[in-house]
Order: sequence, then C-alpha cells, then structure tokens
Amino acid sequence: EVQLVESGGGLVQPGGSLRLSCVASGFTFSSYAMHWVRQTPGKGLEYISVIFNNGIGTYYANSVKDRFTISRDNSKNTLYLQMGSMRLEDTAVYYCARGSIGGNFDFWGQGTLVTVSS
Amino acid sequence: DIQMTQSPSSLSASVGDRVTISCRASQNINTKLNWYQQIPGKAPKLLIYAASSLQSGVSSRFRGSGSGTDFTLTISSLQPEDFATYYCQQTYYTLGTFGQGTKVEGK
Repeated sequence: EVQLVESGGGLVQPGGSLRLSCVASGFTFSSYAMHWVRQTPGKGLEYISVIFNNGIGTYYANSVKDRFTISRDNSKNTLYLQMGSMRLEDTAVYYCARGSIGGNFDFWGQGTLVTVSS
Repeated sequence: DIQMTQSPSSLSASVGDRVTISCRASQNINTKLNWYQQIPGKAPKLLIYAASSLQSGVSSRFRGSGSGTDFTLTISSLQPEDFATYYCQQTYYTLGTFGQGTKVEGK
C-alpha cells in the first residue's frame, strides 16, 4: 500500500524557517518525481515545487522561489521542503504527492499544517 | 502562466442527479488535464487523468471529456459520498496550475 506521511508542520514567526518531511512507503521511491502542494485555509490548491526522481531537476512556483528548497533522500525514502524567510501568506496545509508518468498526482499525504504568525 | 477557470464555483444537487463541472484553460493544453476530488479535512484524490482516463479504483459514474481549452467532469448519478470540492489541474507545463474548485453541495 502506497503511503505518504508528512511531518514538521507547526507555528513559525514571520521571517523564520521550518523543514517539512514526507516519508514514503509501499513503492520504489527513487523511481518517482515528488511534489509539494499547499492549500491555504478555505482556499484552493497551489502547486509549489517538484523534484524529479534523480534529485537533480527541481522547479518552484514564483511565490516560493529563492525561499524554499525541495530535496530528497532516496536512501531514506524521504522528501523534504526547507522553508525560509517565511511570510504570513505561507500559512497553509502542505501536502506531498507522488507524481505519476502522466504528470498527475496519484497519491497524496494527509497534509501538515504550517502557521506563520507573530 | 496557464490560468484554469472552473464553473460554477458551487452547485446544489440531489442524490441521483447528473452533475456537470466545467474547466477552461487560458491556452491549448491538449489533453493534459486532471480532475481531483477533495472531501473536507482530507487530501485530494485523483479521479481522472489525461482528460478522460479513469484512475484505478474510481467509480465509473465519473467521466471526463474535452481537449484543447475546454473540459468537463460529469458525475452520472450523484451519490452521498460525492459531496465534495472538485479541482481541475493542467499538466501541460511543469508546476501545473489548479482551478479554483467547484463545491458540490446537497440541495
């Protein structure tokens, strides 16, 4: 059974940093691109970052570029999102998701809440 | 960036109704279009990929159609578990954008 379990969310002050983790199981992690998507309270979905299976190719939404860093450790089946220079508008539930060949997200984690507040 | 616009933003329907949700892309995306269902408090779930392919395990009452810029998600006979918010997503470009969502509520 494919499982994705996020952790690391919590309360952080504006300008602060936080690292999210997503532990994968039930599939060959190193064979899949992995993604981070966030959802602000009561709002829609925003796709923020992707890392390809080899860990070399990464992309970021303009809203997080130069502040967030996506990475992965295929030996630990773990995806990361290092978030820095955080803003109030980064408050959201952050989901990790597995990317399938067609580019869609076929499995999602349960999400972890990040709150940016002073 | 490609903009994805869904309509309506919300709708009211009854169990057994046929429900149609539209999604329009701001430019041609061929069939690079996915549909997700999100129940409150849960993660999104992939329903349809490549505009019309049914994800494994998803009920056949869900049907996707369209290509180019105009797409449709149809629920042939609404069931109680289908009351949720539905999102389209384009994957024509990396970092594919989502529509704003369509909330399906009970009448």
